[in-house]
Order: sequence, then C-alpha cells, then structure tokens
Amino acid sequence: AQKITQTQPGMFVQEKEAVTLDCTYDTSDPSYGLFWYKQPSSGEMIFLIYQGSYDQQNATEGRYSLNFQKARKSANLVISASQLGDSAMYFCAMSLPYSGNTPLVFGKGTRLSVIA
Amino acid sequence: NAGVTQTPKFQVLKTGQSMTLQCAQDMNHEYMSWYRQDPGMGLRLIHYSVGAGITDQGEVPNGYNVSRSTTEDFPLRLLSAAPSQTSVYFCATKTGGLRETQYFGPGTRLLVL
Repeated sequence: AQKITQTQPGMFVQEKEAVTLDCTYDTSDPSYGLFWYKQPSSGEMIFLIYQGSYDQQNATEGRYSLNFQKARKSANLVISASQLGDSAMYFCAMSLPYSGNTPLVFGKGTRLSVIA
Repeated sequence: NAGVTQTPKFQVLKTGQSMTLQCAQDMNHEYMSWYRQDPGMGLRLIHYSVGAGITDQGEVPNGYNVSRSTTEDFPLRLLSAAPSQTSVYFCATKTGGLRETQYFGPGTRLLVL
C-alpha cells in the first residue's frame, strides 16, 4: 500500500529565506503522481505543484519547486524567498493514476511559520 | 464556474441528531470524495465515488453514509452524530488522466455537543 511521510510537524523560517519541507513516499507502482497542497489559517486547501514519476525535470511553479529524488523516494517542496503569507500547513500527497480510480494518499502535514 | 461547493460552512449538532453535508461540483469530474481533518491526524478519507451510482469506503467510514445519484452531487450523511465526529469535513473532486489533480471544497466545520 502507498504511504506518505512528512517528518517535520513544524518549521520556522525567516522572511526572504528559502525553506525545504520534507516528504517521502512509498509505493511499488512505477506510475505515480506527487502533489503539494497549502492550507492557510482560513482553512481552504490550495493546490501548489505536481510531479509525475516519469517527469525528467523537477516541477516548478513560481516560488515553489519540487526536489524530486526518485531513488530516495523523496519529493521535498522548496519555497524560495519566503513571505509572511506562506505561513500555513503544507500537505504532500500521492496518486496512482493507472491503478484504477484510487484516492489520493496524504501525509500528516507540516506547519510552516514565517518570521519577519 | 463555482468549482466545488459545500454547505453549510458551519454546523452545531447535538449528540444523536442526523444531518447531511452537501457537496456539489460543476467540473464534470467522475471522482468525488469526502475527508475529515482533525488536529495532528491530517486528512482521512471517509468515502469516495468513481461515478454516479458507485461508492466505496475509505479509511474511516463508520457513522457516515453516502450516495451518488448524479455526477454533480455527493452528499455525506451523519446518521446519529457523536462528539467524535466533531471535525472539519472536506469534499473533493479529482480529474482523470496521468496528471490527475484533486480540487477541494471550502470545508464544513462541524461541532457535535
């Protein structure tokens, strides 16, 4: 069965610094997708970035990039030039698109606090 | 294009009461699901549906019922509310294909006294 592990319950980062949020995954399926979501204090879940298992390059979306290390089964989120508005919970998730219409599996999340 | 909508946004129930959390989507996605979010527990899947007329249980289905009569709607029913069901509930849809992406509704905050 697939599993997502986020080992950092909470992180602090100085404004304008870069921060890396860790995510490791476990699956025996060669075809999978990895996602990061942001949940601010207002509660909504916001999709940030996607990485496919066959993608040759690391995904990037503005200040977000995904450091995908397939051999290590890690998919860390890197936020560059942190802003106060980045303070939120961040969830890593995995899908298996070719294994039937299966649910996404989520990690327990990391709470990021950006300090001025 | 409203995406995924949920009603109500907030609800207080007494133990033993029943209620239905509504979820609707206008993106024509076949896949819909319900999660609950509790502090320190992340998101846990309650039920999901891969299309109209098809539902399946997730990780924590006890105490909840679902049905899927249309592509657009996926209501979640609490049969007899318990304090342990105090949580934030999220409905979500998922696109198909390799680059499938899940979209969430705004959530329903439920308090059971």
